[in-house]
Amino acid sequence: DQQVKQNSPSLSVQEGRISILNCDYTNSMFDYFLWYKKYPAEGPTFLISISSIKDKNEDGRFTVFLNKSAKHLSLHIVPSQPGDSAVYFCAARDTGTASKLTFGTGTRLQVTL
Amino acid sequence: EAGVTQSPTHLIKTRGQQATLRCSPISGHTSVYWYQQALGLGLQFLLWYDEGEERNRGNFPPRFSGRQFPNYSSELNVNALELEDSALYLCASSSLMYGSEAFFGQGTRLTVV
Repeated sequence: DQQVKQNSPSLSVQEGRISILNCDYTNSMFDYFLWYKKYPAEGPTFLISISSIKDKNEDGRFTVFLNKSAKHLSLHIVPSQPGDSAVYFCAARDTGTASKLTFGTGTRLQVTL
Repeated sequence: EAGVTQSPTHLIKTRGQQATLRCSPISGHTSVYWYQQALGLGLQFLLWYDEGEERNRGNFPPRFSGRQFPNYSSELNVNALELEDSALYLCASSSLMYGSEAFFGQGTRLTVV
C-alpha cells in the first residue's frame, strides 16, 4: 500500500525555468511533509518541510505547497540550476502516532543547459 | 556534530552468506530507520527502531532483521543473501519531536555475487 506517491518517475527542465515536482498521499493522518534530494551513491539530504497547518513554505529557490483537501503537495524550484539534477523524494509523517517517515518512490529531475 | 555514520561503505558477499550493516545515529536521536534502494527504484522502508524496540517493518522477508542497542546505534542483518539483495542500504535517524526531519547516512553498498 503506497501511501505516498510520486507519479512522475522523471522530469526534464531547462536551466532557468521552473521545476515542479508533485506528490500525493492517501493517509489523512499525515501532518508533516518533507522533501529530500538524493545524488547517486549518497544518502538523501533534507531540503524543505511543511506542516499541515500551513499551505506554503519557502526557502530560497525552493517552495513547497500543500493542498490538504486534495492530499497533494508540490515542490517548486525557481530558477532551476544544473546542480539541482538529482532524485527528489517526498516523505510524510503522522506525528500524532510518532510514526515512521513514509517516502514516495522519487522523481528524477534533469536540468538541462 | 557528527552526522549519521554507516559502516562499511561497501560490502561484497556471496549468495547464501550473511551481511551485517551498522549505523550510528546523530547524538540525541532515538529513532533509526533502515531503507533499501535497489538500482532504479525508490526508497523501500525496511525497519524502524526507537528506544531499542522494533516499531515497524516493511514488506521484506524475515531474513532481514536488525536491532537497536542501548546507545541507539543499530545493526541490520541480512541472512541467506540473494542476488537481488544487492542495493544501497540507507540508515536515517531522527527524534520523534514534531517538526524533526530524518538525517541520512551515506549508505552501505551491498553487492551479492
